[in-house]
Amino acid sequence: QVQLQESGPGLVKPSQTLSLTCTVSGGSISSGGYYWGWIRQHPGKGLEWVGYTHYSGSTSYNPSLQSRVTISADTSRNQFSLKLGSVTAADTALYYCARGVESSSSFFFDYWGQGTLVTVSS
Amino acid sequence: EIVLTQSPGTLSLSPGERATLSCRASQSVSSSYLVWYQQKPGQAPRLLIFGASRRATGIPDRFSGSGSGTDFTLTISRLESEDFAVYYCQQYGSSPLTFGGGTRVEIK
Repeated sequence: QVQLQESGPGLVKPSQTLSLTCTVSGGSISSGGYYWGWIRQHPGKGLEWVGYTHYSGSTSYNPSLQSRVTISADTSRNQFSLKLGSVTAADTALYYCARGVESSSSFFFDYWGQGTLVTVSS
Repeated sequence: EIVLTQSPGTLSLSPGERATLSCRASQSVSSSYLVWYQQKPGQAPRLLIFGASRRATGIPDRFSGSGSGTDFTLTISRLESEDFAVYYCQQYGSSPLTFGGGTRVEIK
């Protein structure tokens, strides 16, 4: 059973960089066919895709965040990370990491972490 | 960007009733790339349906998905107590990947 666990600071100051790590267990992030993504949810709101990476190094980001976001994988630690720069209060959200699957000409997130709340405040 | 509009915003139903949730896309979406999730309070979303109509592993057959083009539907044939939750549709037929705003299914 694949499990994902987010970790990182719960409080980030405005203009600083939000950094989160997702540790994957029960499976290798080097497995082909999988993408490792981040999705966020503003308090009481819907879901917003942040981006994903593949162990090969390829990435895809939400254009609305692309100038500020970097997602990368560390295969030696079986982890992947999110960095979001120049944060503002609008980046306060629950951040989920998830495994993306491209299968049967579809793309979906089948395993999710429990989510970690990040608050941007001075 | 493809905008997904879910309706209704809230559906108030009783256990045993049928729930019909709509997801309408601003542009045509390949059916293969339409997905449905369920989210309960304090939990991560759970994959229900992918490819518009294919149930994910372990999902009961009371959940079904249908549709094509710009109109997609999630149907719960007979609501059980554990089905009261928020449901989201998602598309990735066209980048960026987008989610609908969600439909809350609440107990009447």
